[in-house]
Amino acid sequence: ETVLTQSPTTTAASPGEKVTITCRASSSVSYMHWYQQKSGASPKLWIYDTSKLASGVPNRFSGSGSGTSYSLIISSIESEDAATYYCQQKSSDPPLTFGSGTKLEIK
Amino acid sequence: EVQLVESGGGLVQPGRSLKLSCAASGFTFSNYYMAWVRQAPKKGLEWVATISTSGSRTYYPDSVKGRFTISRDNAKSSLYLQMNSLKSEDTATYYCARRAGGLYWGQGVMVTVSS
Repeated sequence: ETVLTQSPTTTAASPGEKVTITCRASSSVSYMHWYQQKSGASPKLWIYDTSKLASGVPNRFSGSGSGTSYSLIISSIESEDAATYYCQQKSSDPPLTFGSGTKLEIK
Repeated sequence: EVQLVESGGGLVQPGRSLKLSCAASGFTFSNYYMAWVRQAPKKGLEWVATISTSGSRTYYPDSVKGRFTISRDNAKSSLYLQMNSLKSEDTATYYCARRAGGLYWGQGVMVTVSS
């Protein structure tokens, strides 16, 4: 089973700042998906196949990576970006495996 | 519009059973693998089960294997999760999800296992 390790666990940023969330896999994966989950809501697909933005996702978000290291980048944080972000690997499914999540707070 | 609506959750005693349902609409249900994913209170996401398009293949993690059964009725565009021998650690919000280039999630249904 491929284990995904996200970092940081929590982070806080001011509006306009750049934020990078990293997801490291215990073995090489072909693609990574990312989800955004706001408090009390279900997760939403945010970035799929490593770098493709889901419908309606602002272009200040981007995704990159390959092999065992992937990133979700927010170029200029806005208050609405406050949420928990999860990565999910595509290569071996099943099992579906998720990262432990990164909570993003806005200062 | 794609919609996944879960139902059947509630409070159940340890050792008892519960069956969750997920009604799908807005897409051709029979064309997609489907999954259940759960989230314990204040915790992360945990995969529970996956089923193939025809229902002939099912997959589970060790934590629920032998206790949970995923099934589907393509004629009714519905997904199910039969949960037996429930434990307190099964307490979570259960999400139905469509698998295609990432997961599309329903709104979730709460299951509480407690005496």
